[in-house]
Amino acid sequence: DGGITQSPKYLFRKEGQNVTLSCEQNLNHDAMYWYRQDPGQGLRLIYYSQIVNDFQKGDIAEGYSVSREKKESFPLTVTSAQKNPTAFYLCASSMRKRGTGYREGSYNEQFFGPGTRLTVL
Amino acid sequence: AQSVTQLGSHVSVSEGALVLLRCNYSSSVPPYLFWYVQYPNQGLQLLLKYTSAATLVKGINGFEAEFKKSETSFHLTKPSAHMSDAAEYFCAVSKTSGSRLTFGEGTQLTVNP
Repeated sequence: DGGITQSPKYLFRKEGQNVTLSCEQNLNHDAMYWYRQDPGQGLRLIYYSQIVNDFQKGDIAEGYSVSREKKESFPLTVTSAQKNPTAFYLCASSMRKRGTGYREGSYNEQFFGPGTRLTVL
Repeated sequence: AQSVTQLGSHVSVSEGALVLLRCNYSSSVPPYLFWYVQYPNQGLQLLLKYTSAATLVKGINGFEAEFKKSETSFHLTKPSAHMSDAAEYFCAVSKTSGSRLTFGEGTQLTVNP
């Protein structure tokens, strides 16, 4: 089955600790994204990557870091610098339309993983 | 810059009644528009999308949406609500080029028996 997996589903962390959230896709999608969801605030983009070894800051990148060493994987690290890390984190991916460049090319719809709920104790 | 406004953070309908969830967008270029649904503690699932073809778009689960450029709207409708439609719905916009989506704040739909 093709899809996006996120692990773990629930994660607890003590204040001051870094934690890494996993996101893997086997859809052969070019672009991957990380969103944060808080009640009543919709989804806010943290980071995104349109090609391996390249990524861009989203709207709320402070206190987060990412890597994109493989096309299928886009882990997110929540660092101790993130002041309010408790949230629901969603990973997504999308396919670039062929014949278009990666930075300003056209992309199909985003598919989402099941999410990871992070709680800082 | 793009933005999305969803009017009404909570909408409540009776089972069998019309569902209407409102979405207005602003975009300096022709947009792609999307509706997603989210059930509790799950990811988002695509309901339907507008990508500059037909202005009336049919999606899954009996939902449809109409792109109205003059009103900058993309409202989501379903003729008859079912209990299983209770969820949160998100409208999103992107440019025809580039990969970023901008989401609205969501509308929680409650269906009463």
